[in-house]
Amino acid sequence: QSTLTQPRSVSGSPGQSVTISCTGTSSDVGGYNYVSWFQQHPGKAPKSMIYDVTKRPSGVPDRFSGSKSGNTASLTISGLQAEDEADYYCCSYAGSYTVFGGGTKVTVL
Amino acid sequence: QVQLVESGGGVVQPGRSLRLSCAASGFTFNIYGMHWVRQAPGKGLEWVAVIWYDGSNKYYADSVKGRFTISRDNSKNRLYLQMNSLRAEDTAVYYCARDSSNPDIWGQGTLVTVSS
Repeated sequence: QSTLTQPRSVSGSPGQSVTISCTGTSSDVGGYNYVSWFQQHPGKAPKSMIYDVTKRPSGVPDRFSGSKSGNTASLTISGLQAEDEADYYCCSYAGSYTVFGGGTKVTVL
Repeated sequence: QVQLVESGGGVVQPGRSLRLSCAASGFTFNIYGMHWVRQAPGKGLEWVAVIWYDGSNKYYADSVKGRFTISRDNSKNRLYLQMNSLRAEDTAVYYCARDSSNPDIWGQGTLVTVSS
């Protein structure tokens, strides 16, 4: 039950694109198409932004997109906006358990 | 609307027990698995446990196995987490979350502080 690997931080200017990687193993990210991404603002509960690798819940802007290649999943935020500044966590189904990434702080410069 | 509301958090001494509760509304509770996820102060999210929609299967993180028990009462639309032998490192905000391949809808969390 290890943690998925994410970069500690990424940053970009308004309007730019940023991509967050999430690296696991063939037992979690690589083994299932069940990767989710969550956004968390300080003091708030996590909010689902992407599920099943590429799907967006209702109400999530299409600036957010997900993908996966092998054991690495990615979240891309296009057209970065000030309100996108937050912590982002990836999450993967792993059979009998669920595993999260360590989190990535996105800073809008 | 879909809502999850946790309760039962508080300050507890090391070695003691605490039971958390999560009230679900706005969706058909008995067809969804449910998770508990925690977040220590200033740290990331840590998965704790999951229970299937009918309670037939339960799985736990290694860090809580043998000390925590997840359960549910579908007649009351409630999820529970019984936490025994609490340690300082269990201090965290505990969230309940609905399962849809992974957690999707989350509650607002309840803070558990383990301290003497």
